[in-house]
Amino acid sequence: AQSVTQLDSQVPVFEEAPVELRCNYSSSVSVYLFWYVQYPNQGLQLLLKYLSGSTLVKGINGFEAEFNKSQTSFHLRKPSVHISDTAEYFCAVSERGNNDMRFGAGTRLTVKP
Amino acid sequence: EAQVTQNPRYLITVTGKKLTVTCSQNMNHEYMSWYRQDPGLGLRQIYYSMNVEVTDKGDVPEGYKVSRKEKRNFPLILESPSPNQTSLYFCASSLRLAGGTDEQYFGPGTRLTVT
Repeated sequence: AQSVTQLDSQVPVFEEAPVELRCNYSSSVSVYLFWYVQYPNQGLQLLLKYLSGSTLVKGINGFEAEFNKSQTSFHLRKPSVHISDTAEYFCAVSERGNNDMRFGAGTRLTVKP
Repeated sequence: EAQVTQNPRYLITVTGKKLTVTCSQNMNHEYMSWYRQDPGLGLRQIYYSMNVEVTDKGDVPEGYKVSRKEKRNFPLILESPSPNQTSLYFCASSLRLAGGTDEQYFGPGTRLTVT
């Protein structure tokens, strides 16, 4: 079965700085990859997803992620963060033909003024 | 508005007192799922349902029950809650998760405390 590792549990950054949230996955078959964001006291919402094609995926709010098959990674990036980006971010993976989605433990991004 | 709703949003109960958390979606989604979120562990799947009357265990099903009598509803039942079930619970739905490509839509969460 697939698994996901988010390498940083907390990432503090200053406003307008770039940020990278790291995600590695493990699977023996083809995968689909997702990033979700959870704002305080809310459910998760989709930021972006990789299904196939271009390995660079653009999402909402200026975020993008790059699928790297050789390194089994799907890191999330933003060139300049805002206070409003403060949230918890979850990487998730599903396998082709499989019925379940596995989530990482989450990375709490805190943007400081 | 397309959404997943959960009730209640907050619940404090005592050990052994049966409770039900309701979940409803208005998007005609086939797939529904329950997760629990605990610090440092992320989201872990409790049960999922591919369609009406079709349910299956996720990673942490012990102590929980579900039913799917109607397409829109997927209640989570704790027959005899225990303190280790204190957690934040999310219901989610997707059009059709078979094949793995569909995003899931999440409810706002239910924070359960069992004393």
